[in-house]
Amino acid sequence: EAGVTQFPSHSVIEKGQTVTLRCDPISGHDNLYWYRRVMGKEIKFLLHFVKESKQDESGMPNNRFLAERTGGTYSTLKVQPAELEDSGVYFCASSHTGLGNTIYFGEGSWLTVV
Amino acid sequence: KQEVTQIPAALSVPEGENLVLNCSFTDSAIYNLQWFRQDPGKGLTSLLLIQSSQREQTSGRLNASLDKSSGRSTLYIAASQPGDSATYLCAVRRNSGNTPLVFGKGTRLSVIA
Repeated sequence: EAGVTQFPSHSVIEKGQTVTLRCDPISGHDNLYWYRRVMGKEIKFLLHFVKESKQDESGMPNNRFLAERTGGTYSTLKVQPAELEDSGVYFCASSHTGLGNTIYFGEGSWLTVV
Repeated sequence: KQEVTQIPAALSVPEGENLVLNCSFTDSAIYNLQWFRQDPGKGLTSLLLIQSSQREQTSGRLNASLDKSSGRSTLYIAASQPGDSATYLCAVRRNSGNTPLVFGKGTRLSVIA
């Protein structure tokens, strides 16, 4: 069974550009989460989808970040326009409601804004 | 607001030693607590999950304990090996199984052969 996959694994963009990160959760997982770790800080929650609906987006830093989950399958996180402080690792995770709530993380998308 | 603290931030031990990593959280009203491992450049791997009603969980050489009332958890690693070198993260869930995790900054462990 494939795990949580994220694309791209690494991205270097200039300030002001747009980047779109993609996450493919484990098949059948209705919960999908985005987290972020910036240098020297702890991993922080961004938002939570249940199927295609945003359950909780309280962690989204500002309106430059837009997340979607088309048809309740894969999700994208767009940063537009990117700022220097957006640099960090963006993790996606998924879980199936009720199956012990075990959460599975992807390997992360490493974003550098220069 | 829940805050999770992990001590120490970094730890270096010789191979074969038993060691303890500490995690504390400010709000004891948690649903569960989870320990993860992260290798450099990789994602997070779940090691142990302790429900709020449990006191400890064991997996192989790993043992995690939970004292919810005092807001503390420990991860005990027995007979450490160089392959245990990684960052260990503690995270708590608020009040149900699907609410977001709140993470500590992690403990970076190095086991020297």
